[in-house]
Amino acid sequence: AQSVTQPDIHITVSEGASLELRCNYSYGATPYLFWYVQSPGQGLQLLLKYFSGDTLVQGIKGFEAEFKRSQSSFNLRKPSVHWSDAAEYFCALGEGGSYIPTFGRGTSLIVHP
Amino acid sequence: GAGVSQSPSNKVTEKGKDVELRCDPISGHTALYWYRQSLGQGLEFLIYFQGNSAPDKSGLPSDRFSAERTGGSVSTLTIQRTQQEDSAVYLCASSSFRRDYGYTFGSGTRLTVV
Repeated sequence: AQSVTQPDIHITVSEGASLELRCNYSYGATPYLFWYVQSPGQGLQLLLKYFSGDTLVQGIKGFEAEFKRSQSSFNLRKPSVHWSDAAEYFCALGEGGSYIPTFGRGTSLIVHP
Repeated sequence: GAGVSQSPSNKVTEKGKDVELRCDPISGHTALYWYRQSLGQGLEFLIYFQGNSAPDKSGLPSDRFSAERTGGSVSTLTIQRTQQEDSAVYLCASSSFRRDYGYTFGSGTRLTVV
């Protein structure tokens, strides 16, 4: 069965520091992977997605993620965090259409000034 | 529409009352999903529609929960005889037939049962 694991429930970083949020998946084929961000009181916004090709994908708001098949990982990174990046981040596995996406439990990012 | 629209954005109801939550997906999106997010929790899958049919209702927590979708578009999630544990944010998402599209979420309905 497919699954998504986000090992960190909370991550605290200082503004301007670099960020890496971890995501590991279990899936029998080439996965379709997504990162979403949820600001307080809002729905989920798509940051980036990976389907095939270049394993380093660029997203919105300066985020990027790297797909590593050997490690079954799809970690999200940002070189310099801004206070407005404080939010909940979800990693998801899915294909769209008739496939029900599987979400990780989320990582809460706290940004200190 | 341009995005997924959910209404109402907030709903306060008394315990035991019925509520209806509405989701208007992106025009042309064939798949529609309902999730529940309790305070501080992740996303709990409730039900999925492909067109007007619901091939997977496995996530509905009890028979008090039901959902329908008409015209391959708008969906309504109904909770009967609401309980305090039903308090949560209910999120709707839609997706096109394209496998690489991903999922677009609405802003959710915050349900509070008092």
